[in-house]
Amino acid sequence: QKEVEQNSGPLSVPEGAIASLNCTYSDRGSQSFFWYRQYSGKSPELIMFIYSNGDKEDGRFTAQLNKASQYVSLLIRDSQPSDSATYLCAVMGSGGGADGLTFGKGTHLIIQP
Amino acid sequence: EAGVTQFPSHSVIEKGQTVTLRCDPISGHDNLYWYRRVMGKEIKFLLHFVKESKQDESGMPNNRFLAERTGGTYSTLKVQPAELEDSGVYFCASSLTGNTIYFGEGSWLTVV
Repeated sequence: QKEVEQNSGPLSVPEGAIASLNCTYSDRGSQSFFWYRQYSGKSPELIMFIYSNGDKEDGRFTAQLNKASQYVSLLIRDSQPSDSATYLCAVMGSGGGADGLTFGKGTHLIIQP
Repeated sequence: EAGVTQFPSHSVIEKGQTVTLRCDPISGHDNLYWYRRVMGKEIKFLLHFVKESKQDESGMPNNRFLAERTGGTYSTLKVQPAELEDSGVYFCASSLTGNTIYFGEGSWLTVV
């Protein structure tokens, strides 16, 4: 059974610091990896996706993938109070998405002003 | 451009009743997905349509759940008869290519 593990938190980070969110996955054949942000009562919003080992940067966000360690992370630089939300790690398996995404339970991030 | 819209946003029904949830995907998105999050658990995949065809329904919990997408546009998810454990948030999502998947705000279902 495919599993995605995240620390549920809450993770508390001071404003302006770097927030580091981590995720591990069990299916070694997984192909694509996604980070979603979800505010309370709202829809999950796609922040970034990554396919290849290494880093991918988009503005203040950097996704890191290590397939050998089955590990994905999201770094948020210059954290803002508006970044406070639940961050969901999701993995797409080797089936190319036909069987959907496998989600972790999410990490609750709090940015302290 | 309108996002993925879901109706109703909230529903409270009694055990044994029927509820039908509707999802309108982003226009032009052939891929449509249903997911569910029950209290304290992660979001779980239910099924995937490509146009009107069910691509994968391995996540559907049992035969009390029926999803349709007639005409390949909007989709409905019917729960009949509803049980207490069906309570949760039902998310619909759509995508053009299968990679960038956009979610609706969910339909919150409470079975009492």
